[in-house]
Amino acid sequence: SAVISQKPSRDICQRGTSLTIQCQVDSQVTMMFWYRQQPGQSLTLIATANQGSEATYESGFVIDKFPISRPNLTFSTLTVSNMSPEDSSIYLCSVNPRLAGNEQFFGPGTRLTVL
Amino acid sequence: AQSVTQLGSHVSVSEGALVLLRCNYSSSVPPYLFWYVQYPNQGLQLLLKYTTGATLVKGINGFEAEFKKSETSFHLTKPSAHMSDAAEYFCAVDPNSGTYKYIFGTGTRLKVLA
Repeated sequence: SAVISQKPSRDICQRGTSLTIQCQVDSQVTMMFWYRQQPGQSLTLIATANQGSEATYESGFVIDKFPISRPNLTFSTLTVSNMSPEDSSIYLCSVNPRLAGNEQFFGPGTRLTVL
Repeated sequence: AQSVTQLGSHVSVSEGALVLLRCNYSSSVPPYLFWYVQYPNQGLQLLLKYTTGATLVKGINGFEAEFKKSETSFHLTKPSAHMSDAAEYFCAVDPNSGTYKYIFGTGTRLKVLA
């Protein structure tokens, strides 16, 4: 398994500012994912962040808005840039340690409110 | 396009009653199937998963699910609901396409009535 921590757990930000969310894993994993969960909705994949390569973004998400770093096999950051109230969501990271069955392990999430 | 459908965004059951949360998927190849639970203000926790083998899968907290290929379903059940089961439940599919990306259902919020 994998234990994941995220910082901050929650934040309230002003529109136009940026917030960087950190994701720390207790073991080395190649595959890491960033999700957005808007209020009352399901999870939407933002991007796949594999160490040693550029992040791959899903349709509707762009690097200028959600830059991602993956400096090593245990850490990643997601930045939400130039925020607007529509960015208010829970942001979750997950990892796939490539165990049998492709199970993903999720962090506790970062609850972001943009005023 | 591959998809996951969870019938019923809100389900209410009485404490001690049967819990049935429905999940249907579309996939061109046998997928991997998962149920996750999200308690308020928390991340997602894996309840159970189906990969290969036995189609009836048992998970944590007394939950189980049965993979029915002919019906493309993976419904989640629990014989007797407990107040602590109140949470959001997500069905997820890994289409086994080599990308390791999940497709999530829209979620079902379970309410347990005393």
